Amino acid sequence: TQLLEQSPQFLSIQEGENLTVYCNSSSVFSSLQWYRQEPGEGPVLLVTVVTGGEVKKLKRLTFQFGDARKDSSLHITAAQPGDTGLYLCAGDITQGGSEKLVFGKGMKLTVNP
Amino acid sequence: DTEVTQTPKHLVMGMTNKKSLKCEQHMGHRAMYWYKQKAKKPPELMFVYSYEKLSINESVPSRFSPECPNSSLLNLHLHALQPEDSALYLCASSQGEVPLRTDTQYFGPGTRLTVL
Repeated sequence: TQLLEQSPQFLSIQEGENLTVYCNSSSVFSSLQWYRQEPGEGPVLLVTVVTGGEVKKLKRLTFQFGDARKDSSLHITAAQPGDTGLYLCAGDITQGGSEKLVFGKGMKLTVNP
Repeated sequence: DTEVTQTPKHLVMGMTNKKSLKCEQHMGHRAMYWYKQKAKKPPELMFVYSYEKLSINESVPSRFSPECPNSSLLNLHLHALQPEDSALYLCASSQGEVPLRTDTQYFGPGTRLTVL
């Protein structure tokens, strides 16, 4: 069972288009993180959202944490080829008495020039 | 400085070899992690160290042996691996405040391991 569902899983768009990727769960998270990963490299942190309803902006990227802290979205405005990569959401859970980070399967984005 | 470094970047080893992966951070973080990532899959947690003590082992086979010599270093010793262990091995660190809470994790660039 996948705790965090990301959609879409793949997206290929033209430069200049807008897009939104979703990260959904039936579980409540105390925080949720978004990462971007390029092939053969480690995930690079984009943002951490903590408060329900929180909106954070990072240049052309807008992140939102759902009011109930069960879901999040990432919106990219005017996508650039440099935005190409795997976008991962991750949330912290308590499992077996231990807290750990669980990842969604990711959204592979290709932005064509 | 939010850098986590990993060495080597690439490693090719036979099934009878013994090798080690190294991870280092100088952010004063007290929690460090090993993840395994197969192609086109998200990272999967292997081990968590909190204040240099192993706090989580996600039922990882004993051919993977973690070691945390001090708060800045994390090693992963490899012995008698199988070809299916080929993957990107990622190290991460976080502040790791007590009680153990998942803070923002910062990842290293990974070691691409190939087992022949």
